[in-house]
Amino acid sequence: EVQLVESGGGLVQPGGSLRLSCSASGFTFSSYAMHWVRQAPGKGLEYVSAISSNGGSTYYADSVKGRFTISRDNSKNTLYLQMSSLRAEDTAVYYCVMGYSSSWYDDGWFDPWGQGTLVTVSS
Amino acid sequence: SYVLTQPPSVSVAPGKTARITCGGNNIGSKSVHWYQQKPGQAPVLVIYYDSDRPSGIPERFSGSNSGNTATLTISRVEAGDEADYYCQVWDSSSDHPVVFGGGTKLTVL
Repeated sequence: EVQLVESGGGLVQPGGSLRLSCSASGFTFSSYAMHWVRQAPGKGLEYVSAISSNGGSTYYADSVKGRFTISRDNSKNTLYLQMSSLRAEDTAVYYCVMGYSSSWYDDGWFDPWGQGTLVTVSS
Repeated sequence: SYVLTQPPSVSVAPGKTARITCGGNNIGSKSVHWYQQKPGQAPVLVIYYDSDRPSGIPERFSGSNSGNTATLTISRVEAGDEADYYCQVWDSSSDHPVVFGGGTKLTVL
Protein backbone atom coordinates (compact mmCIF):
# COMPACT_ATOMS: atom_id res chain seq x y z
CA GLU A 1 0.00 0.00 0.00
CA VAL A 2 1.30 3.43 -0.94
CA GLN A 3 1.76 5.67 2.09
CA LEU A 4 2.84 9.27 2.35
CA VAL A 5 3.46 10.73 5.79
CA GLU A 6 4.20 14.42 6.18
CA SER A 7 5.92 15.99 9.15
CA GLY A 8 7.58 19.23 10.14
CA GLY A 9 4.63 21.56 10.34
CA GLY A 10 4.01 23.89 13.24
CA LEU A 11 3.79 27.48 14.38
CA VAL A 12 6.38 29.87 13.02
CA GLN A 13 6.72 33.64 13.14
CA PRO A 14 6.48 35.76 9.99
CA GLY A 15 9.85 35.79 8.27
CA GLY A 16 10.79 32.46 9.78
CA SER A 17 11.69 29.15 8.19
CA LEU A 18 10.42 25.60 8.32
CA ARG A 19 11.27 22.36 6.58
CA LEU A 20 8.54 19.89 5.73
CA SER A 21 9.29 16.23 5.11
CA CYS A 22 7.26 13.53 3.41
CA SER A 23 8.22 9.94 4.02
CA ALA A 24 7.09 7.60 1.27
CA SER A 25 6.58 3.84 1.29
CA GLY A 26 4.86 1.13 -0.69
CA PHE A 27 6.15 2.13 -4.11
CA THR A 28 9.40 2.79 -5.97
CA PHE A 29 9.86 6.37 -4.81
CA SER A 30 12.70 7.10 -7.23
CA SER A 31 10.44 6.40 -10.22
CA TYR A 32 7.80 9.03 -9.55
CA ALA A 33 7.57 12.79 -9.53
CA MET A 34 6.26 14.28 -6.33
CA HIS A 35 4.19 17.35 -5.61
CA TRP A 36 3.17 19.67 -2.78
CA VAL A 37 -0.37 21.05 -2.66
CA ARG A 38 -1.61 23.31 0.12
CA GLN A 39 -4.97 24.31 1.49
CA ALA A 40 -5.50 27.44 3.57
CA PRO A 41 -8.06 27.12 6.36
CA GLY A 42 -11.54 26.96 4.86
CA LYS A 43 -10.20 27.46 1.34
CA GLY A 44 -9.58 25.42 -1.78
CA LEU A 45 -6.55 23.56 -3.08
CA GLU A 46 -3.46 25.40 -4.31
CA TYR A 47 -0.65 23.76 -6.28
CA VAL A 48 2.64 24.78 -4.73
CA SER A 49 5.63 22.87 -6.04
CA ALA A 50 6.78 19.76 -7.87
CA ILE A 51 9.92 17.77 -8.55
CA SER A 52 10.75 15.14 -11.12
CA SER A 53 11.72 11.63 -10.11
CA ASN A 54 15.47 12.28 -10.32
CA GLY A 55 15.24 15.78 -8.89
CA GLY A 56 16.46 17.36 -12.09
CA SER A 57 13.36 19.42 -12.81
CA THR A 58 11.32 21.49 -10.41
CA TYR A 59 8.36 23.84 -10.42
CA TYR A 60 7.22 26.57 -8.05
CA ALA A 61 4.02 28.57 -7.97
CA ASP A 62 4.54 32.29 -8.28
CA SER A 63 3.31 32.71 -4.71
CA VAL A 64 6.28 30.78 -3.29
CA LYS A 65 8.98 31.23 -5.93
CA GLY A 66 12.25 32.39 -4.40
CA ARG A 67 11.14 31.46 -0.89
CA PHE A 68 10.45 27.71 -1.05
CA THR A 69 12.79 24.95 -2.22
CA ILE A 70 11.65 21.45 -3.08
CA SER A 71 14.07 18.55 -2.94
CA ARG A 72 14.13 14.81 -2.53
CA ASP A 73 16.43 12.09 -1.23
CA ASN A 74 15.69 8.95 -3.18
CA SER A 75 17.98 6.93 -0.93
CA LYS A 76 15.74 7.83 2.00
CA ASN A 77 12.41 7.79 0.13
CA THR A 78 11.79 11.29 1.39
CA LEU A 79 10.48 14.50 -0.14
CA TYR A 80 11.23 17.91 1.37
CA LEU A 81 9.92 21.43 1.20
CA GLN A 82 12.20 24.07 2.66
CA MET A 83 10.15 27.17 3.39
CA SER A 84 11.71 30.52 4.24
CA SER A 85 10.58 34.13 4.57
CA LEU A 86 7.22 32.76 5.62
CA ARG A 87 4.16 34.98 5.47
CA ALA A 88 0.76 34.82 7.09
CA GLU A 89 -0.71 33.82 3.73
CA ASP A 90 1.44 30.67 3.76
CA THR A 91 -0.69 29.35 6.63
CA ALA A 92 -2.19 26.12 5.32
CA VAL A 93 -2.25 22.37 5.46
CA TYR A 94 0.50 21.13 3.18
CA TYR A 95 -0.12 17.85 1.37
CA CYS A 96 2.52 15.64 -0.18
CA VAL A 97 1.16 13.98 -3.31
CA MET A 98 2.41 11.22 -5.55
CA GLY A 99 2.63 11.98 -9.24
CA TYR A 100 1.55 9.91 -12.18
CA SER A 101 4.92 9.49 -13.85
CA SER A 102 8.61 10.34 -13.55
CA SER A 103 8.03 13.79 -15.00
CA TRP A 104 6.42 16.39 -12.79
CA TYR A 105 4.68 17.83 -15.83
CA ASP A 106 2.21 15.37 -17.28
CA ASP A 107 -1.50 15.06 -17.81
CA GLY A 108 -1.99 12.72 -14.92
CA TRP A 109 -3.80 12.68 -11.66
CA PHE A 110 -2.65 13.11 -8.06
CA ASP A 111 -3.01 9.97 -5.99
CA PRO A 112 -2.58 9.27 -3.19
CA TRP A 113 -2.28 12.27 -0.91
CA GLY A 114 -0.62 12.31 2.48
CA GLN A 115 -2.63 13.26 5.55
CA GLY A 116 -1.15 16.76 5.50
CA THR A 117 0.80 18.85 7.94
CA LEU A 118 -0.39 22.21 9.25
CA VAL A 119 1.84 25.24 8.95
CA THR A 120 0.74 28.30 10.89
CA VAL A 121 2.55 31.58 10.34
CA SER A 122 1.71 34.01 13.10
CA SER A 123 3.33 36.24 15.67
CA SER B 1 -4.22 31.70 -16.63
CA TYR B 2 -6.82 28.99 -17.07
CA VAL B 3 -9.84 29.16 -14.77
CA LEU B 4 -12.11 26.34 -13.60
CA THR B 5 -15.52 27.35 -12.27
CA GLN B 6 -17.51 25.16 -9.91
CA PRO B 7 -20.76 25.94 -8.12
CA PRO B 8 -20.04 26.57 -4.44
CA SER B 9 -22.72 24.16 -3.32
CA VAL B 10 -25.01 21.41 -4.53
CA SER B 11 -27.76 19.80 -2.45
CA VAL B 12 -29.43 16.49 -3.13
CA ALA B 13 -31.75 14.09 -1.32
CA PRO B 14 -30.55 10.59 -0.48
CA GLY B 15 -31.08 8.16 -3.33
CA LYS B 16 -31.17 10.90 -5.94
CA THR B 17 -28.54 11.92 -8.47
CA ALA B 18 -26.07 14.74 -7.88
CA ARG B 19 -24.33 16.51 -10.72
CA ILE B 20 -21.35 18.75 -10.02
CA THR B 21 -20.12 20.85 -12.91
CA CYS B 22 -16.69 22.22 -13.69
CA GLY B 23 -16.60 24.92 -16.32
CA GLY B 24 -13.60 26.02 -18.33
CA ASN B 25 -12.79 27.34 -21.78
CA ASN B 26 -12.84 24.34 -24.11
CA ILE B 27 -12.33 22.03 -21.13
CA GLY B 28 -13.43 19.18 -23.36
CA SER B 29 -9.97 19.27 -24.92
CA LYS B 30 -8.34 18.63 -21.55
CA SER B 31 -8.27 15.70 -19.19
CA VAL B 32 -10.21 16.31 -16.00
CA HIS B 33 -9.59 14.69 -12.65
CA TRP B 34 -11.96 14.83 -9.67
CA TYR B 35 -11.19 14.65 -5.96
CA GLN B 36 -13.42 14.13 -2.94
CA GLN B 37 -12.48 15.70 0.37
CA LYS B 38 -14.34 14.95 3.56
CA PRO B 39 -13.96 17.23 6.58
CA GLY B 40 -10.59 16.91 8.24
CA GLN B 41 -9.32 14.46 5.63
CA ALA B 42 -7.01 14.61 2.65
CA PRO B 43 -8.46 14.66 -0.87
CA VAL B 44 -9.13 11.32 -2.55
CA LEU B 45 -9.15 10.74 -6.29
CA VAL B 46 -12.60 9.63 -7.46
CA ILE B 47 -12.42 10.13 -11.24
CA TYR B 48 -9.42 10.42 -13.53
CA TYR B 49 -9.11 11.12 -17.25
CA ASP B 50 -12.66 12.51 -17.40
CA SER B 51 -14.50 9.29 -16.67
CA ASP B 52 -12.24 6.55 -15.32
CA ARG B 53 -12.79 5.29 -11.82
CA PRO B 54 -9.94 4.21 -9.52
CA SER B 55 -10.25 0.85 -7.85
CA GLY B 56 -12.31 1.09 -4.70
CA ILE B 57 -14.48 3.95 -5.92
CA PRO B 58 -18.15 2.92 -6.24
CA GLU B 59 -19.71 2.65 -9.69
CA ARG B 60 -22.15 5.33 -8.53
CA PHE B 61 -19.43 7.85 -9.36
CA SER B 62 -19.06 8.74 -13.02
CA GLY B 63 -17.69 11.58 -15.08
CA SER B 64 -18.08 13.23 -18.46
CA ASN B 65 -16.39 16.05 -20.28
CA SER B 66 -17.41 17.94 -23.39
CA GLY B 67 -17.33 21.46 -24.73
CA ASN B 68 -16.91 23.92 -21.89
CA THR B 69 -18.20 21.71 -19.08
CA ALA B 70 -17.03 18.63 -17.23
CA THR B 71 -19.48 16.91 -14.92
CA LEU B 72 -19.11 14.60 -11.95
CA THR B 73 -22.26 12.54 -11.46
CA ILE B 74 -23.04 10.69 -8.27
CA SER B 75 -25.97 8.31 -8.56
CA ARG B 76 -28.01 7.00 -5.66
CA VAL B 77 -26.42 9.52 -3.34
CA GLU B 78 -25.67 8.38 0.20
CA ALA B 79 -25.07 10.37 3.36
CA GLY B 80 -21.42 9.33 3.20
CA ASP B 81 -20.99 11.17 -0.11
CA GLU B 82 -21.31 14.51 1.64
CA ALA B 83 -17.98 16.23 0.99
CA ASP B 84 -16.18 18.89 -0.99
CA TYR B 85 -15.43 17.97 -4.58
CA TYR B 86 -12.65 19.52 -6.68
CA CYS B 87 -11.96 19.27 -10.39
CA GLN B 88 -8.40 19.60 -11.72
CA VAL B 89 -6.72 19.96 -15.09
CA TRP B 90 -3.26 20.54 -16.50
CA ASP B 91 -2.87 23.70 -18.54
CA SER B 92 0.04 23.79 -20.97
CA SER B 93 -0.68 27.31 -22.15
CA SER B 94 0.27 29.21 -19.03
CA ASP B 95 2.84 29.41 -16.27
CA HIS B 96 0.34 27.78 -13.94
CA PRO B 97 0.37 24.19 -15.09
CA VAL B 98 -2.00 22.74 -12.52
CA VAL B 99 -5.41 24.26 -12.01
CA PHE B 100 -7.96 23.29 -9.39
CA GLY B 101 -11.56 24.36 -9.40
CA GLY B 102 -12.77 26.29 -6.38
CA GLY B 103 -14.57 23.27 -5.01
CA THR B 104 -18.22 22.31 -4.55
CA LYS B 105 -19.75 21.42 -1.22
CA LEU B 106 -22.16 18.52 -1.70
CA THR B 107 -24.87 18.46 0.95
CA VAL B 108 -27.05 15.39 1.36
CA LEU B 109 -30.41 16.56 2.63
